[in-house]
Amino acid sequence: SQQGEEDPQALSIQEGENATMNCSYKTSINNLQWYRQNSGRGLVHLILIRSNEREKHSGRLRVTLDTSKKSSSLLITASRAADTASYFCATVNAGGTSYGKLTFGQGTILTVHP
Amino acid sequence: DTAVSQTPKYLVTQMGNDKSIKCEQNLGHDTMYWYKQDSKKFLKIMFSYNNKELIINETVPNRFSPKSPDKAHLNLHINSLELGDSAVYFCASSQPTGIRETEAFFGQGTRLTVV
Repeated sequence: SQQGEEDPQALSIQEGENATMNCSYKTSINNLQWYRQNSGRGLVHLILIRSNEREKHSGRLRVTLDTSKKSSSLLITASRAADTASYFCATVNAGGTSYGKLTFGQGTILTVHP
Repeated sequence: DTAVSQTPKYLVTQMGNDKSIKCEQNLGHDTMYWYKQDSKKFLKIMFSYNNKELIINETVPNRFSPKSPDKAHLNLHINSLELGDSAVYFCASSQPTGIRETEAFFGQGTRLTVV
């Protein structure tokens, strides 16, 4: 079953602006991850935040996690045209038997105009 | 060197045929996966193998049969292909270690079109 929902489904911004994407999920998690998918390509891991963490940074990326609300957000600052892609959140359920199985959200299509 | 490589990249075939997709990872990971991405870009896990042993089978039709000859390879064989099997299939690997889960590395995908 589908775990998460992302909003917005599509986001169109100008280069230099910030982009914020949100993700909600339904079960208890071990961690939440964000992936990027360029058109016609595979998924590239961006950042992983564990259930006991609230915020994480990596370069221009900032991820927050609110386990009480079962939600996460991904902020991309100072966006570039090269950031144009689909962004997916994915969760790994709590418990020792998930073996890293990812349950994906529906994705946000980000378009950054030069 | 590509970390996770899958072949072929594109596969066009007729209904009823049998086809295979191959996947190899050179990361030394113990766990490999097959995910399916549908036309709406929704990604869903199909199978997972850990050290050549099947550990996750997400109610996939038994026309789909994964095979892992060793922990670096996970192939997907599909019998009697149907139109609804058209999708992009992604292979991935990771090294889940209980509490400290890590990220997955994905192949470039195989776009399967059944006509």
